[in-house]
Amino acid sequence: DAGVIQSPRHEVTEMGQEVTLRCKPISGHNSLFWYRQTMMRGLELLIYFNNNVPIDDSGMPEDRFSAKMPNASFSTLKIQPSEPRDSAVYFCASSFIYTAMNTEAFFGQGTRLTVV
Amino acid sequence: AQSVAQPEDQVNVAEGNPLTVKCTYSVSGNPYLFWYVQYPNRGLQFLLKYITGDNLVKGSYGFEAEFNKSQTSFHLKKPSALVSDSALYFCAVRDMKPGGSYIPTFGRGTSLIVHP
Repeated sequence: DAGVIQSPRHEVTEMGQEVTLRCKPISGHNSLFWYRQTMMRGLELLIYFNNNVPIDDSGMPEDRFSAKMPNASFSTLKIQPSEPRDSAVYFCASSFIYTAMNTEAFFGQGTRLTVV
Repeated sequence: AQSVAQPEDQVNVAEGNPLTVKCTYSVSGNPYLFWYVQYPNRGLQFLLKYITGDNLVKGSYGFEAEFNKSQTSFHLKKPSALVSDSALYFCAVRDMKPGGSYIPTFGRGTSLIVHP
């Protein structure tokens, strides 16, 4: 398996524009997470899905952020409109959580977003 | 909620010397603990986990971690550091979220710098 695949790797956009980040989880995994990493806040959980259903989006900072998972092999994180303070590295991770024993997550390489 | 704390932002060690990266945890119930490593411009990679059993857990790249229940600690160790071990290290704990899902909750991270 190629692991978790995120696209694009880098995104530079102007303030006010819509940004869409994409993620393909590892085949067979049933949970998907979106994290944001900044120097100030560290690694923050934005939202996670279990069997394609959003379970907890309390980490999504504002209504400008939205996430979808239309099927088991694809998820998007959208920011509309984008602001400079959204600049960060966004990670997608997936895991297979049918038991409490195997909860290590597998991360993509991240999307570095810069909003100017 | 479960949590972990990494008291050191940065750890410096000379190549060939033993290294320790500290982590303490706060959980209700049995702790499920993890270590991840993040190399520059990469996503987090799983290193090792403690679920139950031996207090000394062995993982990837020669790393090991010692679980200490009385001190609520799960320190990461390596007998002989390499320059290539320089990276950001995250401790994580399994946290149960609404809906019965288990997700990793991460510490702030510790930057390990190994000097030649």
